[in-house]
Amino acid sequence: DTGVSQDPRHKITKRGQNVTFRCDPISEHNRLYWYRQTLGQGPEFLTYFQNEAQLEKSRLLSDRFSAERPKGSFSTLEIQRTEQGDSAMYLCASSARAGTGWNEQYFGPGTRLTVT
Amino acid sequence: AQKVTQAQTEISVVEKEDVTLDCVYETRDTTYYLFWYKQPPSGELVFLIRRNSFDEQNEISGRYSWNFQKSTSSFNFTITASQVVDSAVYFCALSGQYGNNRLAFGKGNQVVVIP
Repeated sequence: DTGVSQDPRHKITKRGQNVTFRCDPISEHNRLYWYRQTLGQGPEFLTYFQNEAQLEKSRLLSDRFSAERPKGSFSTLEIQRTEQGDSAMYLCASSARAGTGWNEQYFGPGTRLTVT
Repeated sequence: AQKVTQAQTEISVVEKEDVTLDCVYETRDTTYYLFWYKQPPSGELVFLIRRNSFDEQNEISGRYSWNFQKSTSSFNFTITASQVVDSAVYFCALSGQYGNNRLAFGKGNQVVVIP
């Protein structure tokens, strides 16, 4: 059973550049989540999709951030005009339906972004 | 709003000692889930347990055990006879049963097991 995968694992970029990350969830998991984790902190929710619909965005997600999940499969997270404060680990998670609720979220290895 | 507090930041134990990690949560939901995740040095969050708010039974899985006490809003985690491979950051998290099920994480406990 293939887990959640993320690409790239590491990204170093210069301030002002655009970056895009990809997440492939566990097959048949309807929900896909993006979180951001900074050093010494727990992950913080950014946004989530149910199938292809983006249902909620955190206030942490500024206008420079955009996420998509075309066809309800993989998802991309793009950051435009990166700032040093965007340096963090970006985590993707997916979960499957369970009755009227949802199962636990399984996380990918993350993409570590460093903005210089 | 949902909030998780993990008071201890770094805990060092000698191998074979037991270690208990405290987790206190706040939520207005009547139905919710509690979780523990492990984040080893490799960085990937590994799911350990999910607990429904209606199920207050304690759980044991190998050397891991969990104590859920709704009266004190706590969901504590104990590692018995710790091993070096247990060295990691452990996160407690909370989500509502319905809606977006976003996870609200605590700040984590860094566990260092000294051989």
